[in-house]
Amino acid sequence: QKEVEQNSGPLSVPEGAIASLNCTYSDRGSQSFFWYRQYSGKSPELIMFIYSNGDKEDGRFTAQLNKASQYVSLLIRDSQPSDSATYLCAVMLAAGGYQKVTFGIGTKLQVIP
Amino acid sequence: DGGITQSPKYLFRKEGQNVTLSCEQNLNHDAMYWYRQDPGQGLRLIYYSQIVNDFQKGDIAEGYSVSREKKESFPLTVTSAQKNPTAFYLCASSIWTGRANQPQHFGDGTRLSIL
Repeated sequence: QKEVEQNSGPLSVPEGAIASLNCTYSDRGSQSFFWYRQYSGKSPELIMFIYSNGDKEDGRFTAQLNKASQYVSLLIRDSQPSDSATYLCAVMLAAGGYQKVTFGIGTKLQVIP
Repeated sequence: DGGITQSPKYLFRKEGQNVTLSCEQNLNHDAMYWYRQDPGQGLRLIYYSQIVNDFQKGDIAEGYSVSREKKESFPLTVTSAQKNPTAFYLCASSIWTGRANQPQHFGDGTRLSIL
């Protein structure tokens, strides 16, 4: 079982729709959860982070965390063609005196005009 | 502007050659990281450093070496022992608080290819 699992996609949604990106993780000790957006050929860019169970909203983005189910998701409302990118889920825990971060393979999102 | 600068953007390696990728940050971050990204795979950790003059191996350190002589700098050398070096290399940095709550921020990356 991979430590952080994401469906590689592509996930295609029409412009204006809600895109739902999902991520599951295996280590119950995981403490922090991050979503990065990566455009083709570019480096990852942090867009959201969440530490506690529940929802966290920032503009059109909502991160949702359910530690009991070991599940974190990212919702993108009113999807735009500029949202087309790969979204990486990253899971962090403090272990052995350092921050261990594990990334998923990313979900490719395509927003269709 | 504060940020992480990686150079060069593209690098070509001849067989048997060592090459060094530069990473400099002016964010005053304590921790710095090197990742490798291959198509269809997540980011894989090569080395990380939390303080000057100290660094630790990540999951795929074989064939790589690093140094951390200054807080701002964390260069990565890809040695001739790394038989499959073609990849996108990403340097990241973060604040180190001792708790798992500080995100990593990335440079623009270096694309390394074999000649």
